Amino acid sequence: QVQLQESGPGLVKPSQTLSLTCTVSHDSVDSRDYYWTWIRQPVGKGLEWVGRIFTTGTTNYTPSLRSRVTVSVDWSKNQFSLELRSVTAADTAIYFCARELIITSRLDYWGPGILVTVSS
Amino acid sequence: QSVLTQPPSVSGAPGQRVTISCTGGSSNIGAGYDVHWYQQLPRTAPKLLIFGNNNRPSGVPDRFSGSKSGTSASLAITGLQDEDEADYYCQSYDSSLSGSVFGGGTKLTVL
Repeated sequence: QVQLQESGPGLVKPSQTLSLTCTVSHDSVDSRDYYWTWIRQPVGKGLEWVGRIFTTGTTNYTPSLRSRVTVSVDWSKNQFSLELRSVTAADTAIYFCARELIITSRLDYWGPGILVTVSS
Repeated sequence: QSVLTQPPSVSGAPGQRVTISCTGGSSNIGAGYDVHWYQQLPRTAPKLLIFGNNNRPSGVPDRFSGSKSGTSASLAITGLQDEDEADYYCQSYDSSLSGSVFGGGTKLTVL
């Protein structure tokens, strides 16, 4: 059973950088069948697709965050990461990592999510 | 404003049938990209409920079904049960954004 687990600080100060890591178990971030994806959800609101990475390093990002976000992969640790710069209170959300099938973009495995609050 | 449009809420009594619509456009559902549906119970991660428009992952009851036509898709739930009370999201790929998009979510209340 594939497992994903988010980790990182739960509190980030405004204007600083949010950094999260997703550790993958029972699959490889080197897979040619999947993207590795970040999704976020402001508390009490809907889901927002943030961005994804393929094993080659190819990335895609949602346009509204493209200037501030970077997704990267660490093959040696079987992890992928999210960096969101210059955060504001609007970036407060539950952040999920997920596995996304290349052919159809379905998100078949999700991490439990991590709440990140942006506050001074 | 989500790229895919869902009703904010639906409700039904136990045993009834409800449907949730998901309306997109020519760069996502209308372009032929698959629609997937997720169920999110309170304080949990979303769970894949329907994939590829009308396919159920192993373990999902056949009370849940999906369909797609033109620029829209629908999720139907028959024989409504208390445990179906949750938020439901549709998702598809959007070629103009080069990434996935979600619907705004629909809260299902079992009366």
